Amino acid sequence: GQNIDQPTEMTATEGAIVQINCTYQTSGFNGLFWYQQHAGEAPTFLSYNVLDGLEEKGRFSSFLSRSKGYSYLLLKELQMKDSASYLCAVRPVDDYKLSFGAGTTVTVRA
Amino acid sequence: DTGVSQDPRHKITKRGQNVTFRCDPISEHNRLYWYRQTLGQGPEFLTYFQNEAQLEKSRLLSDRFSAERPKGSFSTLEIQRTEQGDSAMYLCASSLPDRSEQYFGPGTRLTVT
Repeated sequence: GQNIDQPTEMTATEGAIVQINCTYQTSGFNGLFWYQQHAGEAPTFLSYNVLDGLEEKGRFSSFLSRSKGYSYLLLKELQMKDSASYLCAVRPVDDYKLSFGAGTTVTVRA
Repeated sequence: DTGVSQDPRHKITKRGQNVTFRCDPISEHNRLYWYRQTLGQGPEFLTYFQNEAQLEKSRLLSDRFSAERPKGSFSTLEIQRTEQGDSAMYLCASSLPDRSEQYFGPGTRLTVT
């Protein structure tokens, strides 16, 4: 199975950078996902990493190290609308379901 | 493309009643997933379909839960004899055959009183 850990809460200032870490332990691995979820809404897809390294997509970047079972999501130039929960999820090998962490609530303050 | 849709968005029911939820995936997506999410937790996998075939069902899913996708398009999730512990957000997601990312619908929030 999967054991996925991420911090519960983080607070940052508008315009700043925040890094959300995610560690996982899995018997098989076939990709790591980051989703954003605003309160009361559905998760929206942000990024997918299957190989080691950094994937950049606008203000958001995601990093993966498979040997360390570690990923982070980097949010740059924070805006108030970035206040949300950020979910780390792992896809096992030979399977399609996702196993999610509990999410990290990011609060952006003016 | 209107995305994944779910109906109803909210459902309040009394304990012991049966409820049924519907999910319409993105039209060209052949995989469809059901997840359940409670407050402060990430989504928890329930079951998934590839076309009309139900390929996996979570051990957490009791026999009161059943899901169907009869023509490989929309899906229904039925909960029989609801319990207060069934109160949660029920999320549906879909994905393309050759892609891993899943796209979620707005969810159905179930409250069992």
